[in-house]
Amino acid sequence: DGGITQSPKYLFRKEGQNVTLSCEQNLNHDAMYWYRQDPGQGLRLIYYSQIVNDFQKGDIAEGYSVSREKKESFPLTVTSAQKNPTAFYLCASSTNEKLFFGSGTQLSVL
Amino acid sequence: QKEVEQDPGPLSVPEGAIVSLNCTYSNSAFQYFMWYRQYSRKGPELLMYTYSSGNKEDGRFTAQVDKSSKYISLFIRDSQPSDSATYLCAMSALVGTASKLTFGTGTRLQVTL
Repeated sequence: DGGITQSPKYLFRKEGQNVTLSCEQNLNHDAMYWYRQDPGQGLRLIYYSQIVNDFQKGDIAEGYSVSREKKESFPLTVTSAQKNPTAFYLCASSTNEKLFFGSGTQLSVL
Repeated sequence: QKEVEQDPGPLSVPEGAIVSLNCTYSNSAFQYFMWYRQYSRKGPELLMYTYSSGNKEDGRFTAQVDKSSKYISLFIRDSQPSDSATYLCAMSALVGTASKLTFGTGTRLQVTL
């Protein structure tokens, strides 16, 4: 089936630890995105990538890092510098202006 | 002031009712307008997409855009319990090949039997 796969579904982070969220798509989309969703705040853009080996910061990039070594993959690392990482993280890819989302990863702090 | 304003609800309606969901925006550069439906702890699902002022209909759903008033709406006819979800409006000004969407905070809808 074509789509966007995020893993894991749930992730727990200890103090000072870096964690990586996986996002894979087989839709052959060039652009990929990471959003963070907090209750009452809607979706906020963390990073986006238009092509392989290129990415841009979104509105809330501090404490996060990404890579885009393959068209299909856009992993997000939540670093220890992100002091409030608990949130629902959504990966998306797009064809033109339509975004399609994965099923999300809930990250919580232990 | 936020670029996109959306009433968070919750909005509770009886089954069969017509639902009206709305967003206002301030950025004149927005060209594309979308409505997403999100069930609890799931990814948003694209419901409606439009880029011009006027109405677009798809089954029980109608999206309406008024660019002069910077106002968009989603109407749901004959609402069903399965429509209970959070509805997010989103809009964008295309940047290169990427689409940087700006989202509303979402309106939670509950359709009761």
